[in-house]
Amino acid sequence: NAGVTQTPKFQVLKTGQSMTLQCAQDMNHNSMYWYRQDPGMGLRLIYYSASEGTTDKGEVPNGYNVSRLNKREFSLRLESAAPSQTSVYFCASSKWTGVTEKLFFGSGTQLSVL
Amino acid sequence: DQQVKQNSPSLSVQEGRISILNCDYTNSMFDYFLWYKKYPAEGPTFLISISSIKDKNEDGRFTVFLNKSAKHLSLHIVPSQPGDSAVYFCAASAGSGNQFYFGTGTSLTVIP
Repeated sequence: NAGVTQTPKFQVLKTGQSMTLQCAQDMNHNSMYWYRQDPGMGLRLIYYSASEGTTDKGEVPNGYNVSRLNKREFSLRLESAAPSQTSVYFCASSKWTGVTEKLFFGSGTQLSVL
Repeated sequence: DQQVKQNSPSLSVQEGRISILNCDYTNSMFDYFLWYKKYPAEGPTFLISISSIKDKNEDGRFTVFLNKSAKHLSLHIVPSQPGDSAVYFCAASAGSGNQFYFGTGTSLTVIP
């Protein structure tokens, strides 16, 4: 079972470069998310998409854009990378349990911006 | 400002003993709480959850306790096993929304 697949696993960028992090899920989930994890900060929500065709800002959206390409795919774009965006990025999808959404995470992308 | 806090960055426990991981929150609108477990180089995986209408939820060796008046929850692992060594995150959400707020994590080491 693939679950949530993120690419690439590692990336090094120079300040000002752009890149897109790709994410795909095969669980037919409606909702998808992008989080970043920084030391001492836990996981913080960047953007989420509650359903195909919709996206919403999370806690830390500045410097990022997202595209919900279809139900399976949700990409995160850094237009002009900054050292403050050095982080581990996690994509997730979720299913409704009847009470709350249950998150399923990818294995992460380690991004360094020099 | 951190709405979900895990004040212990690390915890070491002997195999077979109880592990207690703590989490505090500030937003009284939170009504659903989850614990996730994370191994190195992997994404977090769901462990156990609790709704605000309950004060306890149990799943095998894992029990989560919720004290709404204190805005505090704890995860008990009994007995602890070396395979439980991981980082544990608590998370909270309000209503049926999609925004989950995570704590900073507690790194648990279970010593054989």
